[in-house]
Amino acid sequence: GAVVSQHPSRVICKSGTSVKIECRSLDFQATTMFWYRQFPKQSLMLMATSNEGSKATYEQGVEKDKFLINHASLTLSTLTVTSAHPEDSSFYICSAKGMTGGSGNTIYFGEGSWLTVV
Amino acid sequence: ELKVEQNPLFLSMQEGKNYTIYCNYSTTSDRLYWYRQDPGKSLESLFVLLSNGAVKQEGRLMASLDTKARLSTLHITAAVHDLSATYFCAVDLNLNTDKLIFGTGTRLQVFP
Repeated sequence: GAVVSQHPSRVICKSGTSVKIECRSLDFQATTMFWYRQFPKQSLMLMATSNEGSKATYEQGVEKDKFLINHASLTLSTLTVTSAHPEDSSFYICSAKGMTGGSGNTIYFGEGSWLTVV
Repeated sequence: ELKVEQNPLFLSMQEGKNYTIYCNYSTTSDRLYWYRQDPGKSLESLFVLLSNGAVKQEGRLMASLDTKARLSTLHITAAVHDLSATYFCAVDLNLNTDKLIFGTGTRLQVFP
């Protein structure tokens, strides 16, 4: 079936630095991917829609200059957390919709990336 | 603004028992998803419900959708410990965008 892969799965960075998280669709093309964040024991919150070849669309309250999203190809979207602070520590998850065959109606999620800012 | 609420938020149940998790949403949507999340892990897709009256079953889990009532249910039959996890419903905000708004989540714990 369709697979969405994220890297890294865990990252620790120092406050003030930037960190990049990759989201890849491994066996299908995704013109649109989504980025979510999840704080411990809470639900997932949609951050932005990543559009291949164009600017990302951010949800209300999400700082676009802090969370840079680049969707340079049909299989890769990246989320860069700039000038990270401890409050950015969270679980970041990407998703993409399968476009082929029986997976056409299923939205697949990556394995998630744990970010800890110290 | 679309709101998605689940009930209960926490469920502790004995093995062999049945129970239902409810998912209510506030605006019109014809597509609803159920996911399972184990601690520290990402989401596992359980069901995609695409129309009013849709019912899907997999093993001990059965999901249904009533778009008129804006309600979906996830029914657990004869629970086993392996079902312990957090379950999320998610509603497609717009059929043309595939943006999902997630419910509050139901943390299920099954004990012997």
